[in-house]
Amino acid sequence: GENVEQHPSTLSVQEGDSAVIKCTYSDSASNYFPWYKQELGKRPQLIIDIRSNVGEKKDQRIAVTLNKTAKHFSLHITETQPEDSAVYFCAFLNSGTYKYIFGTGTRLKVLA
Amino acid sequence: SAVISQKPSRDICQRGTSLTIQCQVDSQVTMMFWYRQQPGQSLTLIATANQGSEATYESGFVIDKFPISRPNLTFSTLTVSNMSPEDSSIYLCSVPQAGRVNYGYTFGSGTRLTVV
Repeated sequence: GENVEQHPSTLSVQEGDSAVIKCTYSDSASNYFPWYKQELGKRPQLIIDIRSNVGEKKDQRIAVTLNKTAKHFSLHITETQPEDSAVYFCAFLNSGTYKYIFGTGTRLKVLA
Repeated sequence: SAVISQKPSRDICQRGTSLTIQCQVDSQVTMMFWYRQQPGQSLTLIATANQGSEATYESGFVIDKFPISRPNLTFSTLTVSNMSPEDSSIYLCSVPQAGRVNYGYTFGSGTRLTVV
């Protein structure tokens, strides 16, 4: 079935450094790729998304890149801050069922 | 985007009993989804709640265990029936943001269920 691999499962960075999380998906026809942030005890929240007609999208310290040929997409967080500590999930929209397939999550710890 | 009110936020239940979780949306939405998130895990889709028809369940989930109601376009319930400790999890409802599936989801605040 359709799936998405997400790496790494845990990531620790020093405050101010950059963090990169990568996902590889299986549905070559998918055209929408959101990223969710879930703080401890809270609901997942959409933080950024990208569509297949663009290769990169930025929103302040957060950026997402997409390589459709390789079926990779990545989340980049620059100048990390302690409040960036959370679990991040990538996802893609299955083009056949219109349901989201979520990655396994990356627990990011930003060390002060 | 839509705002979802989910209740209860948490509960501790005896095995063999049932718990009904409610989600109220502040606008009409065609699709509502129910997810389970086991401790430290990702999100697993349980079913799609359809207004006016039966819910559509994912592989591994059945109506007898997780009956769903969708009486109108703003409300849905998920019941976890005949609970066992393995059902301890967080249950979340979600709806498409901006009313369109390819604009991401808004999630409810979740129900943390502990079965003892």
